[in-house]
Amino acid sequence: GENVEQHPSTLSVQEGDSAVIKCTYSDSASNYFPWYKQELGKRPQLIIDIRSNVGEKKDQRIAVTLNKTAKHFSLHITETQPEDSAVYFCAAGFGYNQGGKLIFGQGTELSVKP
Amino acid sequence: GAVVSQHPSRVICKSGTSVKIECRSLDFQATTMFWYRQFPKQSLMLMATSNEGSKATYEQGVEKDKFLINHASLTLSTLTVTSAHPEDSSFYICSASSGGARETQYFGPGTRLLVL
Repeated sequence: GENVEQHPSTLSVQEGDSAVIKCTYSDSASNYFPWYKQELGKRPQLIIDIRSNVGEKKDQRIAVTLNKTAKHFSLHITETQPEDSAVYFCAAGFGYNQGGKLIFGQGTELSVKP
Repeated sequence: GAVVSQHPSRVICKSGTSVKIECRSLDFQATTMFWYRQFPKQSLMLMATSNEGSKATYEQGVEKDKFLINHASLTLSTLTVTSAHPEDSSFYICSASSGGARETQYFGPGTRLLVL
């Protein structure tokens, strides 16, 4: 089955710096890659996603890149702010018509210091 | 849009009792819902996929007789933890997909279960 590895497990940056989180997946058939942000005790919130027919996607300060050949994808947050502090999860899965199941990475605890 | 609710938000029960958790999609129809378990400082572990009107599909290692899932309507799925034990204490989160061409899963707020 699918396996997703996420690194680093913790990341501390100064406010205004960039943060990069990387994930690799094992199943080359995976075609959907969302990123979720989870604050302590709260539900995961989708922040950006990318499908396998696209190599890069950007939404304001957040961008995701996908390398299908290498089976890895990354989250880039620029101009980080203290409110970006949270746990970030990547996931890999299949489209709805193929079951829609997601397998999550281990999570990255991001701390943005003022 | 795409709001998912869960009830209860937290529950404390005695060992051996059963606990039912409800997951509702409030503003869309969800033909598929997913149940996850999350231990402190760990990732979301998929337990099962719940499809409206059919049996749930359980992940390897998840006991289907212990974690009963019912998806009786397009807006409601329930997870019943039967004969709960302290090791079942965890954060249980559901998600729902609106289907069609979209794969996005929207998560409920989670249910914190403590078994004494």
